Amino acid sequence: DADVTQTPRNRITKTGKRIMLECSQTKGHDRMYWYRQDPGLGLRLIYYSFDVKDINKGEISDGYSVSRQAQAKFSLSLESAIPNQTALYFCATSSAGAASPLHFGNGTRLTVT
Amino acid sequence: TQLLEQSPQFLSIQEGENLTVYCNSSSVFSSLQWYRQEPGEGPVLLVTVVTGGEVKKLKRLTFQFGDARKDSSLHITAAQTGDTGLYLCAGLNSNSGYALNFGKGTSLLVTP
Repeated sequence: DADVTQTPRNRITKTGKRIMLECSQTKGHDRMYWYRQDPGLGLRLIYYSFDVKDINKGEISDGYSVSRQAQAKFSLSLESAIPNQTALYFCATSSAGAASPLHFGNGTRLTVT
Repeated sequence: TQLLEQSPQFLSIQEGENLTVYCNSSSVFSSLQWYRQEPGEGPVLLVTVVTGGEVKKLKRLTFQFGDARKDSSLHITAAQTGDTGLYLCAGLNSNSGYALNFGKGTSLLVTP
């Protein structure tokens, strides 16, 4: 089983709909992240959480919200989806420590029509 | 603002050739990581460099961190088709807070 699991793997939704992407991990890491990947733009940070009571905005948080339900669960919500939120979304985890590597899930491909 | 600039953006070479990918910034990084991503999967860590001037080798891959900790390079010797993928550098500095800032990536295609 994957250490970092994202659901769903693919999702097509319509403009204006609310949608939630979920992430769970079995690595026991305190830190969790949501990134979005677009062709030619690389990975950009949306939100991150260093423990259950900690939530921080990344560079592109507008239009998104997150919830850290437990150490192992971190969900990303789009309150009212718009087409330019079409992208590949990745959840990642890491242990504490400045040089700790990120462990990524396999991504959720979201299409907003 | 993209703190890390990667070049080239795309690279297509034949098996057996050597190549170098660059990751540059005007900012100083306390550490820098290289990841490789294959289609349909998340990025996977290759190496972390933390000391200016540091060189690390991973089989045919050689990673170097610049003396001033503002740049890094990845050199692949005798590329193989299995090296095909997206190579991403990511760094940690005061501007990025406590989360990694990624470059846009170099897409490498190695053909037989």
